[in-house]
Amino acid sequence: GAGVSQSPSNKVTEKGKDVELRCDPISGHTALYWYRQSLGQGLEFLIYFQGNSAPDKSGLPSDRFSAERTGGSVSTLTIQRTQQEDSAVYLCASSLNNGNVLTFGAGSRLTVL
Amino acid sequence: QKEVEQDPGPLSVPEGAIVSLNCTYSNSAFQYFMWYRQYSRKGPELLMYTYSSGNKEDGRFTAQVDKSSKYISLFIRDSQPSDSATYLCAMSSTGGTSYGKLTFGQGTILTVHP
Repeated sequence: GAGVSQSPSNKVTEKGKDVELRCDPISGHTALYWYRQSLGQGLEFLIYFQGNSAPDKSGLPSDRFSAERTGGSVSTLTIQRTQQEDSAVYLCASSLNNGNVLTFGAGSRLTVL
Repeated sequence: QKEVEQDPGPLSVPEGAIVSLNCTYSNSAFQYFMWYRQYSRKGPELLMYTYSSGNKEDGRFTAQVDKSSKYISLFIRDSQPSDSATYLCAMSSTGGTSYGKLTFGQGTILTVHP
């Protein structure tokens, strides 16, 4: 597609529920990133996929967070047993190869009640 | 202390003013420096990209990097109401998976009044 597409754009869930956030990167971009932006905070790196290499999961805040990327394209970020502190905007970005010029999607705004 | 410090503002200026936005950092491994602009309810978009020290100009925007002082700046000349947004500095180091893993500042909220 023309840009990075994320869904849902907004998600409200109850504490303890699992959520899945989807990212469809720009066609041909081999690198995909997930970041989290909490209120009044900068972006926090979560996880990075590059081609067929093992993902860099160093930014995931707990084992409740996981992500996968199927077929080198679409990625899903899963948060299990959501907590109120998980409320944030989850941003996906993609780039050509492993370049550091990222194109971001509009984000998925998660609210945990 | 955060690796990248950025004054969150908010910053309010009249149309036509020169705006100066700044970030300081502590990690001497950072080699790539970027400025992203983020409009409300949108994802960040790349505005300026600089490698190592020096200046880069693009239209009304000038990015400066001073690695010796670990300090970067973005200047906006002849600011316009359409420049009203949050400006985020971002940095990365070289090599391996660090290449695309950016460390962001907190973001500065800028409002340009007509």
